Amino acid sequence: DAKTTQPTSMDCAEGRAANLPCNHSTISGNEYVYWYRQIHSQGPQYIIHGLKNNETNEMASLIITEDRKSSTLILPHATLRDTAVYYCIVRVAPPNTGKLIFGQGTTLQVKP
Amino acid sequence: NAGVMQNPRHLVRRRGQEARLRCSPMKGHSHVYWYRQLPEEGLKFMVYLQKENIIDESGMPKERFSAEFPKEGPSILRIQQVVRGDSAAYFCASSPPQGGSQETQYFGPGTRLLVL
Repeated sequence: DAKTTQPTSMDCAEGRAANLPCNHSTISGNEYVYWYRQIHSQGPQYIIHGLKNNETNEMASLIITEDRKSSTLILPHATLRDTAVYYCIVRVAPPNTGKLIFGQGTTLQVKP
Repeated sequence: NAGVMQNPRHLVRRRGQEARLRCSPMKGHSHVYWYRQLPEEGLKFMVYLQKENIIDESGMPKERFSAEFPKEGPSILRIQQVVRGDSAAYFCASSPPQGGSQETQYFGPGTRLLVL
């Protein structure tokens, strides 16, 4: 699976949008971009994933560049409960999938 | 629809004892994955199982660790003769069998193992 690069940490003011970048310059055509987060040692929580097109769900939006070499996770109105470590993972398309390879992620601190 | 369940949530063992960690996947899921998170470190893949089959065990330590996912009942991660270095959080994830984008992994709350 392709390697990802994320900033180590970011701050965001409560109520503002949090934009978390991820570089995956070696991504292959059949690899998806997944985002998970881990709140204070809880189990990782699935947020969103995409292949080429931008995606939106009730939690977040995922913007993938046209060349697919980078993406941005957007939390539109961050709250204190969004403070967590956010992981960007690229993963081969199913059905030949299996393990998720977690990097160090981005520690997002939402401040009042 | 209940999520992934793991028990126990906390487990204390003395060196040399055995630890058994259980994982019940989400309803309708037949794929189970185990990950380990050592203190202050990231999550590392251990093993991927389908019912009665081990698909990928590339992340499992060569000795003392084993995993199973029987036809009936939960998946079990077994650690024999535990050592202090086994102290960690162990997370289980499950995914449905359909393939495609529906094969997202959903994680349980984890089991915190402490070896004294």
